[in-house]
Amino acid sequence: AQSVTQLDSHVSVSEGTPVLLRCNYSSSYSPSLFWYVQHPNKGLQLLLKYTSAATLVKGINGFEAEFKKSETSFHLTKPSAHMSDAAEYFCVVIPYNQGGKLIFGQGTELSVKP
Amino acid sequence: DGGITQSPKYLFRKEGQNVTLSCEQNLNHDAMYWYRQDPGQGLRLIYYSQIVNDFQKGDIAEGYSVSREKKESFPLTVTSAQKNPTAFYLCASSVRDISPGEQYFGPGTRLTVT
Repeated sequence: AQSVTQLDSHVSVSEGTPVLLRCNYSSSYSPSLFWYVQHPNKGLQLLLKYTSAATLVKGINGFEAEFKKSETSFHLTKPSAHMSDAAEYFCVVIPYNQGGKLIFGQGTELSVKP
Repeated sequence: DGGITQSPKYLFRKEGQNVTLSCEQNLNHDAMYWYRQDPGQGLRLIYYSQIVNDFQKGDIAEGYSVSREKKESFPLTVTSAQKNPTAFYLCASSVRDISPGEQYFGPGTRLTVT
């Protein structure tokens, strides 16, 4: 079975410092992986996606993620945090051969201190 | 503007009452989804529909029902059989079979049952 594990339920950084949100996946096949962001009391927005092309994926708002097959990881990074980055972030995998169904990680809440 | 609308934003009901949550999209998407979000648990799929007049159970369908009579609309009914209905409910849509994993989310409905 395919799954994702977000290693931190909460991450706190200072404005202007780097962000690292960690995600490990479990999959027997080459997975499609995504990061979504959810601001408080809002719906989710797609940040970026990996679908077996380049292993370093760039997304919106300066975020990027690197697919590392040897480590089964898909960590999300940003060089410099902004106050507006404070939100909850979800790592997501698509199960093989199940159409558009998504499997969500538990989420990581990112706090940004001034 | 194209997008997904969910109404109402907040909904309060007494235990034992059925309640219907609205989801409408004008993106011309074939597929629509309902998720439930609880703190610390990510999103869990309730029902999904890939085409009009057809829908499938997700991972936690018990106590819920849906209909898909129109492409634009995918209402969710939370029945009195749902043991713990208080949650944040998110509707999403996607273009079927194209860019799987890219789902567009509505703003959500927060349901409180007392």
